[in-house]
Amino acid sequence: GIQVEQSPPDLILQEGANSTLRCNFSDSVNNLQWFHQNPWGQLINLFYIPSGTKQNGRLSATTVATERYSLLYISSSQTTDSGVYFCALITGNQFYFGTGTSLTVIP
Amino acid sequence: DAGVTQSPTHLIKTRGQHVTLRCSPISGHKSVSWYQQVLGQGPQFIFQYYEKEERGRGNFPDRFSARQFPNYSSELNVNALLLGDSALYLCASSLGVTAREQYFGPGTRLTVT
Repeated sequence: GIQVEQSPPDLILQEGANSTLRCNFSDSVNNLQWFHQNPWGQLINLFYIPSGTKQNGRLSATTVATERYSLLYISSSQTTDSGVYFCALITGNQFYFGTGTSLTVIP
Repeated sequence: DAGVTQSPTHLIKTRGQHVTLRCSPISGHKSVSWYQQVLGQGPQFIFQYYEKEERGRGNFPDRFSARQFPNYSSELNVNALLLGDSALYLCASSLGVTAREQYFGPGTRLTVT
């Protein structure tokens, strides 16, 4: 199956700092989403971004499908941004989640 | 509008028992997918159903089965539970097979003792 790797695996930031999370995948995909999983396990939709760039407030994302990667940018981080960030891909009728990036924002 | 709902929230079962988990999709969504998330890992795809038919299956044993009802709600069944089945089970819904943006429910946390 497709390999989906995220980096870095863990990240600790001071409140107000910026960060870039990366998602690399090994095959062409139909769709790509970014999620934030809060401490209670709820997966929150951030972006649906099979290609191109989108922005939503302090967050933005870019997917370059031809080069098989996607980036999630978090600017001016807040403590509420803490949690695990996943990219998720669909290829054919199979769904794949990445390995995740665990983000901790300290005040 | 209500989001994806799942029941029960928590469940404790004994090895060898059977369990049924339930999911109601967002109104208007016809596709439901199930995932298993073991502690410390990303969700693993189990099944996708669309219009009551299985459209995708992950690498899980035959002890796992699912179905979708005419109202698009879904059940995930797991037979002969093993300790390793302890996990958070997530359900996601989407408009259809081609409209793939998924929305997740809060999950059911299953503990097998």
